[in-house]
Amino acid sequence: SYVLTQPPSVSVAPGQTARISCGGINIGRKSVSWYQQRPGQAPILVIYYHGGRPSGIPERFSGSNSGNTASLTIIRVEAGDEADYYCQVWDTDSAHRVFGGGTKLTVL
Amino acid sequence: QEQLVESGGGVVQPGTSLRLSCAASGFTFASSSMDWVRQAPGKGLQWVAYISHDGGIKSYDDSVTGRFTLFRDNSKNTMFLEINSVRLEDSAIYYCTRDGEGGSLDFWGQGALVTVSS
Repeated sequence: SYVLTQPPSVSVAPGQTARISCGGINIGRKSVSWYQQRPGQAPILVIYYHGGRPSGIPERFSGSNSGNTASLTIIRVEAGDEADYYCQVWDTDSAHRVFGGGTKLTVL
Repeated sequence: QEQLVESGGGVVQPGTSLRLSCAASGFTFASSSMDWVRQAPGKGLQWVAYISHDGGIKSYDDSVTGRFTLFRDNSKNTMFLEINSVRLEDSAIYYCTRDGEGGSLDFWGQGALVTVSS
């Protein structure tokens, strides 16, 4: 089955840029979605398809995807961005949806 | 306003069965594919199952195949997840989600907590 690999944690100072990676074989050929989950809350979609942002998601959030790595980039990080972030793809071979293990973003 | 409201969670004994429901409102449910995603305490997200807009196509994670059954009633804007032979490892928050563009899940309910305990 398809596997997505994320770093367990990323730390960044306020105002700086956070980058969270998501590794998978030929992930650049897939559509990657990213979710933010604040403590005690349900996840919300922050990036979908080829870098699309749902209504209400700040422009500070962006996504990229090439080769074997997809990335979520958050510029001008704020305290409110502290959360767990998950990448996800639809694996057409297995007809299964796959999530990465999640990355805890800490704002120092 | 879009809403997904899960119900049916609670404390259940191993080996028993339960049915989770997801009531949708504020959007055209009959046109939407839907999924269930679960999250064990302190763990990450795990996809559970998918159902197409008309219920004709279903897909399950390998870990639940044969024990979980997903179905929907578009006349009642409701989706159901039946869990048979419940196991300790089924303890989790179960989220009802709506499929969006590019294979995303663009709307999530607040979740239903299932605790399996003897």
